[in-house]
Order: sequence, then structure tokens, then C-alpha cells
Amino acid sequence: DTAVSQTPKYLVTQMGNDKSIKCEQNLGHDTMYWYKQDSKKFLKIMFSYNNKELIINETVPNRFSPKSPDKAHLNLHINSLELGDSAVYFCASSLKGQNNSPLHFGNGTRLTVT
Amino acid sequence: AQSVAQPEDQVNVAEGNPLTVKCTYSVSGNPYLFWYVQYPNRGLQFLLKYITGDNLVKGSYGFEAEFNKSQTSFHLKKPSALVSDSALYFCAVRLRGNNRLAFGKGNQVVVIP
Repeated sequence: DTAVSQTPKYLVTQMGNDKSIKCEQNLGHDTMYWYKQDSKKFLKIMFSYNNKELIINETVPNRFSPKSPDKAHLNLHINSLELGDSAVYFCASSLKGQNNSPLHFGNGTRLTVT
Repeated sequence: AQSVAQPEDQVNVAEGNPLTVKCTYSVSGNPYLFWYVQYPNRGLQFLLKYITGDNLVKGSYGFEAEFNKSQTSFHLKKPSALVSDSALYFCAVRLRGNNRLAFGKGNQVVVIP
């Protein structure tokens, strides 16, 4: 009955590879997000989708491409991985129509690029 | 622009003592304010939020926070800390009508038995 689930939990790969992280939420939310947490625990928003429409696209290298097949899923594809991409990536969801709606986070995907 | 400051890096407190984690914000309008907690190897969990009304907001696990508009602060408090409260705490702010949530840098809380 996990609310926001991400796979995989751990991802170790080499520079130059392409990888994807999947996210699904069963809360009935209409907005989903990707956040990056660096080694100092600082959280930075990357993307946000509302009903499959991109609404936030921060300054992120275009090697990162989100895809939302439906409002319950938001996947993140990363091309040509670099050492600096190593971080924990969190998916989250909320209700857009309610700005006071809290975010619900997945447990993260720890990406290590070697 | 909206920003959140959590001035301390780490807060150490003895078990049973009061716990306070500080947060100040800078926004150009009336914000919604949130506190989240992150345990090791987990995602952030929502603790409480301020929308409007009573300045003292009560949340999960015995935590509360006080909104102070004149000081633009939203400090998190717990009257008696538990060892299990040791975690990373994030303050966040969102402007009304804005989908963007800005997080502070986080505070590590260590509760000493």
C-alpha cells in the first residue's frame, strides 16, 4: 500500500550510460515532482508535471528527460550519465489545486555514477 | 523570489528537554509554511503546515510550530525530545497561487540519551 513508490532503490552505473528511474503514486494526486538531493542534503526541484503536462522545468541539463504517461506515473530518464549526477533522486506528488497540499515523497533512488 | 533560512546546521538536545528548530522565510506575499522530517535512507515526511488562522500549529509526533509574521519565522518545537526524533528537519515555503515549494537547507537534530 506504498503511496509513492520509486524503482530502483539503488542504481550504480558507469559514466556515459543511460538510465531510467520510475515513479508511481496511488494517492489520486494530479501533480508529480522530481527532486535531487545532493551530498549535503540540499533539495532542489528538477521538474513538475500536472496531469501529464510539464509545469516546472528548472535549470537542469537536457540529458535529464521526464516522462509522464499518465497522472499516476512520472519517470526520469538520464542520458550520458556524469559523475556529478550522483545523488539521491526523490519523486513526490501532491494536489495542484490546493497550494497548501503537502508533498508526499517516495523513499528515493540513490544513483552512483562511477 | 521566495527563500527559506535554517540558520543552524545541527541541533543537539538531551532526551526529555525541549527541542526547537529555527526557520525564517523571505517571500513577497502570504505564504504557506511546512515542516518535513527525513529519517536515514527515507523520503521526507510531512509534519505540519501553516495556512491561516491560529499561529500555533500542531502536527505529527507531538511537534508544533509557531508562525510569527512580524519576525517572518516558523520555528518547530517539541516540549520533550525523544531519541527517535533524531533526524533531518526541513522547513519549506510556498506562495499562494504558486506551485513551487522552496526548501531550507535542513537541520540535523541529534537527541542525546
